[in-house]
Amino acid sequence: GAGVSQTPSNKVTEKGKYVELRCDPISGHTALYWYRQSLGQGPEFLIYFQGTGAADDSGLPNDRFFAVRPEGSVSTLKIQRTERGDSAVYLCASSYGQGAEAFFGQGTRLTVV
Amino acid sequence: AQTVTQSQPEMSVQEAETVTLSCTYDTSESDYYLFWYKQPPSRQMILVIRQEAYKQQNATENRFSVNFQKAAKSFSLKISDSQLGDAAMYFCAYKPGTASKLTFGTGTRLQVTL
Repeated sequence: GAGVSQTPSNKVTEKGKYVELRCDPISGHTALYWYRQSLGQGPEFLIYFQGTGAADDSGLPNDRFFAVRPEGSVSTLKIQRTERGDSAVYLCASSYGQGAEAFFGQGTRLTVV
Repeated sequence: AQTVTQSQPEMSVQEAETVTLSCTYDTSESDYYLFWYKQPPSRQMILVIRQEAYKQQNATENRFSVNFQKAAKSFSLKISDSQLGDAAMYFCAYKPGTASKLTFGTGTRLQVTL
């Protein structure tokens, strides 16, 4: 596609439920990043993929968060047993490589009620 | 750990005027990159300008320019001839040369008035 696509645009879920957020990067981009942006804050790094493997997952806050990129393209961020504190905008970005410019999607706004 | 500080939560500028957004950072690295991103209400982060730390010359992109003071660890963004479409959140960001992740500041909301 022309840009990074994230679905859904908005997601409301109940506390304790499981959610999946999808990111479709720009075709040919090998690097993919997930960030979380809480209200009034800048984005915070969660995880970085180079190809299919997670090269840096140091930003994942706890074991309820997990991300995959099985074929080196689309990535899914999975959150188990959601908590109200997980409410945020989840941004995905992709680039040709680690040092190249990262292009961001429009994010998924997750609201946990 | 690297930190990025934006001390101006909000700024306002009149159309056609010039405004400067401030950013300071803290790092012990010698090789790194600095960025300014714009985030309109659509939520998409758009790269405005990028500066490599090893370059002494300040980066410029049309109406946008930076004042990079490496010793002071300061990286301000100047927007000239401000336009209504410049109204957005602006985030300063840092990336070490050997790493992949960006560290963002808390942002400055820019209002542009007629």
